[in-house]
Amino acid sequence: GQQLNQSPQSMFIQEGEDVSMNCTSSSIFNTWLWYKQDPGEGPVLLIALYKAGELTSNGRLTAQFGITRKDSFLNISASIPSDVGIYFCAGQALGAQKLVFGQGTRLTINP
Amino acid sequence: DAGITQSPRHKVTETGTPVTLRCHQTENHRYMYWYRQDPGHGLRLIHYSYGVKDTDKGEVSDGYSVSRSKTEDFLLTLESATSSQTSVYFCATAPGVGYNEQFFGPGTRLTVL
Repeated sequence: GQQLNQSPQSMFIQEGEDVSMNCTSSSIFNTWLWYKQDPGEGPVLLIALYKAGELTSNGRLTAQFGITRKDSFLNISASIPSDVGIYFCAGQALGAQKLVFGQGTRLTINP
Repeated sequence: DAGITQSPRHKVTETGTPVTLRCHQTENHRYMYWYRQDPGHGLRLIHYSYGVKDTDKGEVSDGYSVSRSKTEDFLLTLESATSSQTSVYFCATAPGVGYNEQFFGPGTRLTVL
């Protein structure tokens, strides 16, 4: 099935660094979602985006809905140990009942 | 938090046995979904439901069936489990009105020996 191209696949950073990841699609989406998954748990919704160009923050997390509607970006500022996990993007087309997921970005933080 | 529970949380079974996983939600969400998560494959949709008794297939539906007899429960059945169905299974729900974000349950780890 269709999948989003999420990059990078993994990141190894130092505590306190900023993080950037993105998702791209060949199709237009009307909704972009960003999830975080901790080991042994289900994905948790971090940020939802509904308009092209929209920039939304949730604490140290900021996500943007790309102008072309084919991409989205997630930034984490001043990373801390609890940011470790897998981050997934997901897109939803207008009227669609299903989400299309990226493969995830695994974030590892060295203290 | 959409108030989603999954049972059992862990199960080990043998090849050829039937297995049923249960998803229960308390938010009166219209849509419910079953995914499997495997290394290298991310989240893949198995089946979903858009209302009581209304279900449809996802991208990896072979070997699975579902039922939804009431709004709050969505059952996933493996009629005859195979080793390739060893995975972590997640249930998700979505309101079905307005913005339609999906909220995930805690997952069920299934091992088929």
